[in-house]
Amino acid sequence: AQSVTQLGSHVSVSEGALVLLRCNYSSSVPPYLFWYVQYPNQGLQLLLKYTTGATLVKGINGFEAEFKKSETSFHLTKPAAHMSDAAEYFCAVSEGSGNTPLVFGKGTRLSVIA
Amino acid sequence: NAGVTQTPKFQVLKTGQSMTLQCAQDMNHNSMYWYRQDPGMGLRLIYYSASEGTTDKGEVPNGYNVSRLNKREFSLRLESAAPSQTSVYFCASSEVGRGTQYFGPGTRLTVL
Repeated sequence: AQSVTQLGSHVSVSEGALVLLRCNYSSSVPPYLFWYVQYPNQGLQLLLKYTTGATLVKGINGFEAEFKKSETSFHLTKPAAHMSDAAEYFCAVSEGSGNTPLVFGKGTRLSVIA
Repeated sequence: NAGVTQTPKFQVLKTGQSMTLQCAQDMNHNSMYWYRQDPGMGLRLIYYSASEGTTDKGEVPNGYNVSRLNKREFSLRLESAAPSQTSVYFCASSEVGRGTQYFGPGTRLTVL
């Protein structure tokens, strides 16, 4: 069975500092992995995704994530936080057995301090 | 291109009342989903429809029913609303089950 664990329900960083949001997954087959962002009072939007191929994935707004199979991780990073990055971030996994829906983590709220 | 639309945006119900949340997508996607989002609980899948004509239960289906009206539309019905159903409801769609999901703006529901 698939599952996703996001370490830290709330992360706070200073503007300009490194952003690191952690995601670990369990999957019995090669997974598809996703990061979504949710700004206040909005729906979720895709930041980036890993399906196959290159393990370092670049997304929108300067974010990237690296798929590490040996560590079953897909951590999200950004070199320098901006105030506009304050939002909730969700990691999701799909085992890809045809029509199996994504499984989402519980989310990490990112605060950026000026 | 509107993507995924949901109506209404806000709703207040009294305990025992019924209502239907509407969702439509214009991306010709096969799969559609209903989630609820509660503080600290993340997104929880209520029901999904892998393709037109099929529906399946998710993690928290009790108290809800769904209808996949056609390929574009997927509605969620609360037959007898309870305060525990106070939540933000999101509809999403994807081309296939493991594909990128596209979300609507949500419906904020309060049950008194």
